Amino acid sequence: GAGVSQSPSNKVTEKGKDVELRCDPISGHTALYWYRQSLGQGLEFLIYFQGNSAPDKSGLPSDRFSAERTGGSVSTLTIQRTQQEDSAVYLCASSWSGTNTDTQYFGPGTRLTVL
Amino acid sequence: AQSVTQLDSHVSVSEGTPVLLRCNYSSSYSPSLFWYVQHPNKGLQLLLKYTSAATLVKGINGFEAEFKKSETSFHLTKPSAHMSDAAEYFCVVILRGRALTFGSGTRLQVQP
Repeated sequence: GAGVSQSPSNKVTEKGKDVELRCDPISGHTALYWYRQSLGQGLEFLIYFQGNSAPDKSGLPSDRFSAERTGGSVSTLTIQRTQQEDSAVYLCASSWSGTNTDTQYFGPGTRLTVL
Repeated sequence: AQSVTQLDSHVSVSEGTPVLLRCNYSSSYSPSLFWYVQHPNKGLQLLLKYTSAATLVKGINGFEAEFKKSETSFHLTKPSAHMSDAAEYFCVVILRGRALTFGSGTRLQVQP
């Protein structure tokens, strides 16, 4: 079946602009995660959604970052007033039920470049 | 708190020789541990995972890893490297029962 998809694959924006990144998880997966991969910080957790529970936002680096998950499926990560340090690959993952042992399946990522 | 340490940032082997990628973890309880691989310009792919069922875990493409509680290690091995194994490998632990905590990665080079 289809895997996790993300769009756009690449995004170039100017400092100060807002961007939206989209993630379509695997159908039926109740858990969805956002991660960021950058040269300086490696791979780091941003936010986690599980069913109808309140999201775990503990990894978001600042209040310029927010995310929504509509209808328990598609998720959008929004970065307001982008800064150069936001340049990174943003990865989305989903899993069946979000337990400790569940495999997380990753999308191909969105490469964000802030000029 | 849980974390993982990958002991080598780069490993270079010759094709056909064994591969050893080292990972140590710290955890206050029995962790769930994973190895993921990332090929250039491709997404992260799960190689294998340890979830306390068996200490020796076999994964895809001939890789395996052994969970050693006494050494707090979860090293990744393969008996014979192939050119297609060249990639970056991440040792991963579950943080707070939900999000993954990634090691810093080990880049594997395979020489012909």
